[in-house]
Amino acid sequence: ETGVTQTPRHLVMGMTNKKSLKCEQHLGHNAMYWYKQSAKKPLELMFVYSLEERVENNSVPSRFSPECPNSSHLFLHLHTLQPEDSALYLCASSQALMTGEQYFGPGTRLTVT
Amino acid sequence: TQLLEQSPQFLSIQEGENLTVYCNSSSVFSSLQWYRQEPGEGPVLLVTVVTGGEVKKLKRLTFQFGDARKDSSLHITAAQPGDTGLYLCAPRAGTYKYIFGTGTRLKVLA
Repeated sequence: ETGVTQTPRHLVMGMTNKKSLKCEQHLGHNAMYWYKQSAKKPLELMFVYSLEERVENNSVPSRFSPECPNSSHLFLHLHTLQPEDSALYLCASSQALMTGEQYFGPGTRLTVT
Repeated sequence: TQLLEQSPQFLSIQEGENLTVYCNSSSVFSSLQWYRQEPGEGPVLLVTVVTGGEVKKLKRLTFQFGDARKDSSLHITAAQPGDTGLYLCAPRAGTYKYIFGTGTRLKVLA
């Protein structure tokens, strides 16, 4: 595997479910990010991790809970989501905090029913 | 609040035509990135511009950063179907933040 991978690629969940999104980067980067991309809206930065420490929580509701166990892995734990949370969730990594190029994964298309 | 506008929102052209898309703001930025996103994929960085008035070329794509570093343009010469995608501009908006526009969705017809 190379680059940034995300699983699952598609997820349908009910509002009472608990699920997790996984991101893995094989680039040796030190910073990782979660973005939300909704139809007709700009990419929204949700969380930023640098060297496994969270440095940004962009007023994201507590039903989204990130976890970064090491510099290669990033999770987004989901619980009691709302239909308006349906979106494409993108993970990205960069060599260091917001320097240079961000490499994005293919995203997880989430549908909340 | 920093407002970022990309235009046009949608563009459908024939193969071989030229086009320009724009990214405008009232704020001054230290740098700006352009990405292309294809369906089912994440955005891929095309270029970063840093200096006011800077022009960068990537094959048939020409990127320009405005003199005042508030706007940018992307010009594509002789567009090809492979250029189809969502073009996003992302100015640097803080120590480590980039903000993204809503993008220009380009479709190049063969």
